[in-house]
Amino acid sequence: NAGVTQTPKFQVLKTGQSMTLQCAQDMNHEYMSWYRQDPGMGLRLIHYSVGAGITDQGEVPNGYNVSRSTTEDFPLRLLSAAPSQTSVYFCASSPDVNQPQHFGDGTRLSIL
Amino acid sequence: AQSVTQPDIHITVSEGASLELRCNYSYGATPYLFWYVQSPGQGLQLLLKYFSGDTLVQGIKGFEAEFKRSQSSFNLRKPSVHWSDAAEYFCAVGASNYQLIWGAGTKLIIKP
Repeated sequence: NAGVTQTPKFQVLKTGQSMTLQCAQDMNHEYMSWYRQDPGMGLRLIHYSVGAGITDQGEVPNGYNVSRSTTEDFPLRLLSAAPSQTSVYFCASSPDVNQPQHFGDGTRLSIL
Repeated sequence: AQSVTQPDIHITVSEGASLELRCNYSYGATPYLFWYVQSPGQGLQLLLKYFSGDTLVQGIKGFEAEFKRSQSSFNLRKPSVHWSDAAEYFCAVGASNYQLIWGAGTKLIIKP
């Protein structure tokens, strides 16, 4: 029972590099989301998707891009990494936004 | 604007003592309310949820929460804490725009 799988678990990037954080779920959930977690700030929504082919911006979308070509996958792309993007990133899924979210274990990202 | 406030950044409780974590929200309609727990280095796990009906809801690990509409609160309680309850606790509110609104979290410290 995999649930929500995030890869990689850890990553170090240099400023200006790009990368993709992967998120996959096997529960056939329509709603998926990406959050960043910084100390003392709780979870901040980056982007979300209510179904395949549909994405929208959350609270802090700048510098990030997403796509949802399948129900299962929701990758997050950092276009040009900046030190301010050093954070822990969580992917979550649920049948819809008002149902309990299932979280991945997170990706710890450091930008030097 | 919709918001969630967890007024206590840290709470220290002796093992075996009772616990109450506060959560206040600002939202025009009847909200969907959640409490999640995050152990160090882990993702978030749902403790309990309120959608409608009985305002006292029971969750996992012996936790309960009470929805008080007049006070716009959804406080989390446990009659007797265990050392394993040490973690960070997040309150979240389901809004109408496909986004969850999160509190900043309360870190629970257990004294032996």
